[in-house]
Amino acid sequence: EAGVVQSPRYKIIEKKQPVAFWCNPISGHNTLYWYLQNLGQGPELLIRYENEEAVDDSQLPKDRFSAERLKGVDSTLKIQPAELGDSAVYLCASSLAHRGGYTEAFFGQGTRLTVV
Amino acid sequence: RKEVEQDPGPFNVPEGATVAFNCTYSNSASQSFFWYRQDCRKEPKLLMSVYSSGNEDGRFTAQLNRASQYISLLIRDSKLSDSATYLCVVNTFGGGYNKLIFGAGTRLAVHP
Repeated sequence: EAGVVQSPRYKIIEKKQPVAFWCNPISGHNTLYWYLQNLGQGPELLIRYENEEAVDDSQLPKDRFSAERLKGVDSTLKIQPAELGDSAVYLCASSLAHRGGYTEAFFGQGTRLTVV
Repeated sequence: RKEVEQDPGPFNVPEGATVAFNCTYSNSASQSFFWYRQDCRKEPKLLMSVYSSGNEDGRFTAQLNRASQYISLLIRDSKLSDSATYLCVVNTFGGGYNKLIFGAGTRLAVHP
């Protein structure tokens, strides 16, 4: 079974340019997360989807970041315009969660973004 | 105060040593707890879940103290391959959905 697939693996862009990341979760997983991870830090939640609904986007900088999960499967995360401080690893994870319960979250390999 | 706090590390230990990591969480409504392992430049992967009664998986033992809001991970007979960052993860159920919060991680370096 394929795991969580993210693309691209690496991206280098100039500041003020737009960038987009794509995530394909494990088939059947209804919960999808986007995390940001800086060097030496743990993953920080940006947004969480339950099916196609964004149920927690309180940490998403909405002035420049946007996300969507059409049809409750694949998801894209966009930054426009990118800033130097956005350089980080962007991780996508999925899990089969349900009310009152939790199952393991599986992570993709991440997209390493460098803004120059 | 961060929702999940861990020992800052790094922990540098010789092979065969026993090492323990601690983690505290601030939300008393948190329901489930996990340790994830993250190798350098890799994605986090589940190491083990943490149960109230404590649980063991080979050389790894996890403990949970709900009263003190404290989680621990004990690694016995450390191997070189145990070198990684260990992330404490807390799951809180609220508003009908689960929310995973990660600690900053504790780095372990096992040397010969």
